[in-house]
Amino acid sequence: GNSVTQMEGPVTLSEEAFLTINCTYTATGYPSLFWYVQYPGEGLQLLLKATKADDKGSNKGFEATYRKETTSFHLEKGSVQVSDSAVYFCALSSGGSNYKLTFGKGTLLTVNP
Amino acid sequence: NAGVTQTPKFQVLKTGQSMTLQCAQDMNHNSMYWYRQDPGMGLRLIYYSASEGTTDKGEVPNGYNVSRLNKREFSLRLESAAPSQTSVYFCASSGQQETQYFGPGTRLLVL
Repeated sequence: GNSVTQMEGPVTLSEEAFLTINCTYTATGYPSLFWYVQYPGEGLQLLLKATKADDKGSNKGFEATYRKETTSFHLEKGSVQVSDSAVYFCALSSGGSNYKLTFGKGTLLTVNP
Repeated sequence: NAGVTQTPKFQVLKTGQSMTLQCAQDMNHNSMYWYRQDPGMGLRLIYYSASEGTTDKGEVPNGYNVSRLNKREFSLRLESAAPSQTSVYFCASSGQQETQYFGPGTRLLVL
């Protein structure tokens, strides 16, 4: 079955530091890949996505590239801000008509000023 | 544009009590989902509805029932709550683009 493994947290960084959160997946076929972000006390919201190999998703300074050869979708940001403090979830969609998502366990990021 | 709304925001139940969590979306999406979020477990799919009139089990359906009342509304029912059902519950919906849109969540405590 499908599965997503992401680096365990928590991750604590200083403002303006470089961020990488690793994500690898196991899936049949060609899934779409997502990063969702959850700010404290809120629901999840889409951060970025990629639908095929070598696609790069980007949003709000975050980037992730769909690497089929390494089955990875690592999240990166060059310079984090305090406002980026949140839980980040990697997820995949197996496609079909119901678009079910399989999530990783989430990585808590705390950015200190 | 409200997106996905959920009620209630917070609920405390005693073991054995029943309750229904409500979810509605105003984006004309066909598919709707219920997840639970537990510490260290990520989100796990309870039930989903690919379209109006259909529902299917997800990863952790035991102890829950759902109703897709119409295209907008998808409710989750706990018939006899147990402490293991203490969790945060999220409803989501999706249209043609695979992206799921999430509600703000319902925090449930079962004593």
